[in-house]
Amino acid sequence: GQNIDQPTEMTATEGAIVQINCTYQTSGFNGLFWYQQHAGEAPTFLSYNVLDGLEEKGRFSSFLSRSKGYSYLLLKELQMKDSASYLCAALDSNYQLIWGAGTKLIIKP
Amino acid sequence: NAGVTQTPKFRVLKTGQSMTLLCAQDMNHEYMYWYRQDPGMGLRLIHYSVGEGTTAKGEVPDGYNVSRLKKQNFLLGLESAAPSQTSVYFCASSYGTEGSQPQHFGDGTRLSIL
Repeated sequence: GQNIDQPTEMTATEGAIVQINCTYQTSGFNGLFWYQQHAGEAPTFLSYNVLDGLEEKGRFSSFLSRSKGYSYLLLKELQMKDSASYLCAALDSNYQLIWGAGTKLIIKP
Repeated sequence: NAGVTQTPKFRVLKTGQSMTLLCAQDMNHEYMYWYRQDPGMGLRLIHYSVGEGTTAKGEVPDGYNVSRLKKQNFLLGLESAAPSQTSVYFCASSYGTEGSQPQHFGDGTRLSIL
């Protein structure tokens, strides 16, 4: 079957760095997405990786290892507004997105 | 630029009632999707459309119907609402599925079935 695993909840301190991990098992693989979802709001696109390595976008970076079925989202210089759920989603061989349940990130002052 | 607009935002139904959720996008996207989001679970695809006049079943299609009569609109119908359909429903759209084409989401419809 197809499966995405990510931690349910993480806590970090304002100004610190946090890494949110995601492992995936899909039938075929055409890339991995990270989305941010604030409580009661729509998911919004953060990043896309299809090749191994690190993609950096400002304070956010995303890493992919295709051989390990593993990705992480790295958030630097955490701000209170970064408190949200972070959704990992893998694109399978049929170009359907398989979604993880999301990681709720709590930022403490 | 409105993006993806869903109506209504909230609705309470009684078991057995029917209703239609509306989704409109102004980005000229070919692909449109309906998801449901339940606590502790990932987004689950109900139905999707790859273009005007086409629809296809997703992971959890039972109890729902859809129509895509116009490119910009994608309608989700509940034929006979059941308490198990209490959820937050998200509509999304994208240019396509290949490469780095992200899906753009509406603000959601919070539906309660009593």
